[in-house]
Amino acid sequence: QVQLQESGPGLVKPSQTLSLTCNVSGGSVSSGSHYWSWIRQPAGKGLEWIGRIYMSGATNYSPSFESRVTLSVDTSNNQFSLQLSSVTAADTAVYYCARESIGWFWDSWGRGTLVTVSS
Amino acid sequence: QSVLTQPPSASGTPGQRVTISCSGSSSDFGGHAVSWYQLFPGMAPKLLIYSFHLRPAGVIDRFSGSQSGSSASLVISGLRSEDEADYYCAVWDDTMKGWVFGGGTKLTVL
Repeated sequence: QVQLQESGPGLVKPSQTLSLTCNVSGGSVSSGSHYWSWIRQPAGKGLEWIGRIYMSGATNYSPSFESRVTLSVDTSNNQFSLQLSSVTAADTAVYYCARESIGWFWDSWGRGTLVTVSS
Repeated sequence: QSVLTQPPSASGTPGQRVTISCSGSSSDFGGHAVSWYQLFPGMAPKLLIYSFHLRPAGVIDRFSGSQSGSSASLVISGLRSEDEADYYCAVWDDTMKGWVFGGGTKLTVL
């Protein structure tokens, strides 16, 4: 069974770049049947989709984040990553990575990691 | 861009049947299936319903889903205390080429 685990700094300073990695086990980021997504949940608010990446490196980004987000995939280490630049306190949230099955649903999620933006 | 509307809260007593709605702004959700997720604090979100009405292996049949036109519903039958959680619907938006979530529904078991 595939498992996803987010990792990265829990504290980022305003204006800096938030960087997170999702390690995938029990499955492969090179799977042609899946996309790999990042989703976040600010405290007290709902889920927000940030973007997704395919094994080829092709990406789709939410218009809300498109100007400052970059996703990448590392097939040799079986992981994918998120970079969100110019962060503010509004970017404080629990960040989830998830596997999207072609068929339009996420069937596996990480437990999420809290990232706080504060000086 | 699609907008998905869910009631912010729902409640029921043990054994009752509860329905959580998800209304879309575009007709027929662009032909895509709405999926439903259950969230508990500190845990990985869980897929409950996909492809209009299907349940993944391991999801009990007290959870069911339906979709018609621009509305989708999650029904929880035989409500139990452990069902108290947040529930979200989501759908792919072809115009935005991205995913849209409903605002989430907090289910309370009285």
